[in-house]
Amino acid sequence: DAKTTQPPSMDCAEGRAANLPCNHSTISGNEYVYWYRQIHSQGPQYIIHGLKNNETNEMASLIITEDRKSSTLILPHATLRDTAVYYCIVSGNQFYFGTGTSLTVIP
Amino acid sequence: NAGVMQNPRHLVRRRGQEARLRCSPVKGHSHVYWYRQLPEEGLKFMVYLQKENIIDESGMPKERFSAEFPKEGPSILRIQQVVRGDSAAYFCASSLNKGAGQPQHFGDGTRLSIL
Repeated sequence: DAKTTQPPSMDCAEGRAANLPCNHSTISGNEYVYWYRQIHSQGPQYIIHGLKNNETNEMASLIITEDRKSSTLILPHATLRDTAVYYCIVSGNQFYFGTGTSLTVIP
Repeated sequence: NAGVMQNPRHLVRRRGQEARLRCSPVKGHSHVYWYRQLPEEGLKFMVYLQKENIIDESGMPKERFSAEFPKEGPSILRIQQVVRGDSAAYFCASSLNKGAGQPQHFGDGTRLSIL
């Protein structure tokens, strides 16, 4: 499974869009990009996933570059409850969690 | 529509005792995964099971750890003769099918503390 690279931490003002980047330059053709988040001491929460096309659901949007080597998770209007560690995972069969991006939403 | 249920939420054991962690997957899900998370680290894959079969145990320590997912009942992660280094959060996840494009849904974990 491909390795991912994420910035260790980011801040975002409440009400603004949070854009979380992820590099996955070694992704292979059948591997999906998944995003999860973990709020302190809870289990990881599924956010969104995609293969090639951009995806949107009630929580977030996922933008995947045409070459699939990177992606961005967008939280359109961040709230204080979005403060969490966000994990980008590229997976064919197994999920490998890195250290993620710690997002802090600032009032 | 219950999600993944894990129990107990917190478990305290003394060194040398056995720990049994239970996981009931989302109703209808037949694929179960166990992960371990040490403080300040990401989750590490341990084992993947399908009903009555261990499919991938490449992340399981070679000794003292075992997992099962019987035809009836929850999946069990068993740790024998626990040591201080086993203190961690253990998460279970389930999915409807296996393969690319199948998100895993996680429980809230069991926090294991070894005295």
